Amino acid sequence: DAGVTQSPTHLIKTRGQHVTLRCSPISGHKSVSWYQQVLGQGPQFIFQYYEKEERGRGNFPDRFSARQFPNYSSELNVNALLLGDSALYLCASSLGRGTNTEAFFGQGTRLTVV
Amino acid sequence: GDSVTQMEGPVTLSEEAFLTINCTYTATGYPSLFWYVQYPGEGLQLLLKATKADDKGSNKGFEATYRKETTSFHLEKGSVQVSDSAVYFCALRPQAGTALIFGKGTTLSVSS
Repeated sequence: DAGVTQSPTHLIKTRGQHVTLRCSPISGHKSVSWYQQVLGQGPQFIFQYYEKEERGRGNFPDRFSARQFPNYSSELNVNALLLGDSALYLCASSLGRGTNTEAFFGQGTRLTVV
Repeated sequence: GDSVTQMEGPVTLSEEAFLTINCTYTATGYPSLFWYVQYPGEGLQLLLKATKADDKGSNKGFEATYRKETTSFHLEKGSVQVSDSAVYFCALRPQAGTALIFGKGTTLSVSS
């Protein structure tokens, strides 16, 4: 079975541009979460979607948005890119959204803003 | 707010040495606790978890016990291998929350 897949794996963008990152969850998983991992730090929670609805949002500006599609795949969009948005963006999928639910992570998209 | 504090690295050990990586947390109620491992160039892999006080999570020779009285979840392994070299993250999921809250990570380097 395929794990969580993210695309692209690497991306270079210029300040002010817009970027879309994509995530396909494990088959049967209905929850997708997005995390930002800045070099040398732990991942920071951005969004969680469950059954196509936003169920949680971290402390990120409105430039960050996301959505989940009927097939449970998800997109993360970032507008007006800043140098500080350079990071590894991780997607995690899980069966549900409860406290004990295990999250499975993809390999991430490395975004570099220049 | 809820948070996780890990010992700072890097931790450098010889093969077959004993490993301890300290992790303490701040949270209300009874969060679930996790250890994740990240190998170079890869995403996070769940190493072990514990969902209630006094639970012991274990996997691949690693162990951690959920200590409510000391709000700790220290990771231990009796004999490390070179292949254990990676970054280890302690994390919690709040009792009433959905997001994972991670520590800053501890880099482990094992030499032969």
